[in-house]
Amino acid sequence: DAGVIQSPRHEVTEMGQEVTLRCKPISGHNSLFWYRQTMMRGLELLIYFNNNVPIDDSGMPEDRFSAKMPNASFSTLKIQPSEPRDSAVYFCASSFGIQGNSPLHFGNGTRLTVT
Amino acid sequence: GQQVMQIPQYQHVQEGEDFTTYCNSSTTLSNIQWYKQRPGGHPVFLIQLVKSGEVKKQKRLTFQFGEAKKNSSLHITATQTTDVGTYFCAAQSTGTASKLTFGTGTRLQVTL
Repeated sequence: DAGVIQSPRHEVTEMGQEVTLRCKPISGHNSLFWYRQTMMRGLELLIYFNNNVPIDDSGMPEDRFSAKMPNASFSTLKIQPSEPRDSAVYFCASSFGIQGNSPLHFGNGTRLTVT
Repeated sequence: GQQVMQIPQYQHVQEGEDFTTYCNSSTTLSNIQWYKQRPGGHPVFLIQLVKSGEVKKQKRLTFQFGEAKKNSSLHITATQTTDVGTYFCAAQSTGTASKLTFGTGTRLQVTL
């Protein structure tokens, strides 16, 4: 099992640019989560999909953030335009079942730096 | 909204000493999960607790869920340098479709 695969591992971009983060969940998992981790705010849930449908996007900071899950094996998180305060590590996680009922399997994360 | 606090924020111990981190919720929980994140790594699932008063052990790690299901603890006996990392609890409140909220984390440093 390859685990949750995220790309890129590192992204450095200038303020105002569009950033797209990618995630491939574990095969057979039907829930997918995007988290953001910073020193100040810890691990924050941005959005949660179940069976490819967004269930809870209340954690998405603002309209600059959007997430899609076109099929069971792929999801993207897009930031446009990016700002320096978006700098963080973004984790994708997947699980089997609904949120909280089973373990989350995290990817290695994407470290985003916006200058 | 639900708040999940962990104490302490940071602890530095010498190898062989014990370590405990506490997780406290403002609401009654349906279950709680624990994760470990090594420096530069990603959170890795350790265990899930569901029942009131439940105690589970994994080698030197002991996990406990409070009787009122509002708090939990993780105790490590005789720490080793491999225990270094940040330990997070993740709590889910009772009620349908409730969020899994991560605690603030406890960073453990172990030195020889």
